[in-house]
Amino acid sequence: AQSVSQHNHHVILSEAASLELGCNYSYGGTVNLFWYVQYPGQHLQLLLKYFSGDPLVKGIKGFEAEFIKSKFSFNLRKPSVQWSDTAEYFCAVKGGSYKLIFGSGTRLLVRP
Amino acid sequence: DAGVIQSPRHEVTEMGQEVTLRCKPISGHDYLFWYRQTMMRGLELLIYFNNNVPIDDSGMPEDRFSAKMPNASFSTLKIQPSEPRDSAVYFCASGDGELFFGEGSRLTVL
Repeated sequence: AQSVSQHNHHVILSEAASLELGCNYSYGGTVNLFWYVQYPGQHLQLLLKYFSGDPLVKGIKGFEAEFIKSKFSFNLRKPSVQWSDTAEYFCAVKGGSYKLIFGSGTRLLVRP
Repeated sequence: DAGVIQSPRHEVTEMGQEVTLRCKPISGHDYLFWYRQTMMRGLELLIYFNNNVPIDDSGMPEDRFSAKMPNASFSTLKIQPSEPRDSAVYFCASGDGELFFGEGSRLTVL
């Protein structure tokens, strides 16, 4: 069965700092990978997804993620964060079935 | 499209009462998922349906939980009897590749 690990539970950054959130998954076959964002009090929204092709995926709001198959990783990056990026970020994996399994989430606080 | 619609948005009930949460998926989506979100356990997949048929209910915590999808546009998640540890936000999501989430139902069991 697939599983997802997000190593950073809480991240605090100042505006304009660069962001990288780690995500590792466990599954031996073909996977689809996702990053979702949950703003305070809101539902989950898709940031970006990887199904196949170019391992560098660009999403909304300046976010990108790189799929490194050899490392089973799908880290999320943003070169310069804004206060409005304060939210919880979830990595998710789907492999072998239609079950989408989420990581434990990373809470990002961006200080103005 | 209006997106995934869940009701109620908030529910406060007493231990032992029956709770029914409702979901209307996005039209045309073949898959529907129920998730539970808590601080302690994060996002847990409870059950998912394909073409109204339950495919995997291994995440349903106990027999007190049941879910149905009588047609392509409606699903329910029922807890009977409810307990304080069931307090959580319950999300419904639909989709074939990526998932689209509803606003969630925040349940508080006193």
